[in-house]
Amino acid sequence: DAGVIQSPRHEVTEMGQEVTLRCKPISGHDYLFWYRQTMMRGLELLIYFNNNVPIDDSGMPEDRFSAKMPNASFSTLKIQPSEPRDSAVYFCASSSGLAAGELFFGEGSRLTVL
Amino acid sequence: EDQVTQSPEALRLQEGESSSLNCSYTVSGLRGLFWYRQDPGKGPEFLFTLYSAGEEKEKERLKATLTKKESFLHITAPKPEDSATYLCAVEAPDSNYQLIWGAGTKLIIKP
Repeated sequence: DAGVIQSPRHEVTEMGQEVTLRCKPISGHDYLFWYRQTMMRGLELLIYFNNNVPIDDSGMPEDRFSAKMPNASFSTLKIQPSEPRDSAVYFCASSSGLAAGELFFGEGSRLTVL
Repeated sequence: EDQVTQSPEALRLQEGESSSLNCSYTVSGLRGLFWYRQDPGKGPEFLFTLYSAGEEKEKERLKATLTKKESFLHITAPKPEDSATYLCAVEAPDSNYQLIWGAGTKLIIKP
């Protein structure tokens, strides 16, 4: 299996622009998670899906952030408009759900908002 | 408040010098404790799950142990390729898949 695939790996954009991050989970995994990692705050869960349905989005910082999962093999995280404080590494992870903490992470998307 | 604290923040060892990393938690009714390894520029990689006090898991030069208040990741005779940041996370009751993550320990093994 190719693992969790994220794109783009790096994104540099200007404040106010729309950013879309993409994720392909491991085939057969029913759970998909979006995390954000910064030096100051560490790993933070933004939202997670079970069987393509958003279950908990309490970690989404504000309305500028949205996430979708139109099918079992694809998810997006969108920031519109982007701000410099959104600069971070965004990770997608998937899980079979058998154990809540056994996650398979992608390599991340490093976002820089100027 | 549920918390996970990892220590030390950073640890430098010589190749072959064994040591331990600590993960202490203040969660009541722990449902699971998880260790991950993260290399620079990569996502965290799952290592171990521990569920109850006294449990131990091993993988190559790593051994994870769990007590009622903390977990240790013991590294025996480490090699430079063991250099990474090691993250600990816990699952609390009624957490609904929300993990509480520690800040990590950056381990550097010098040849």
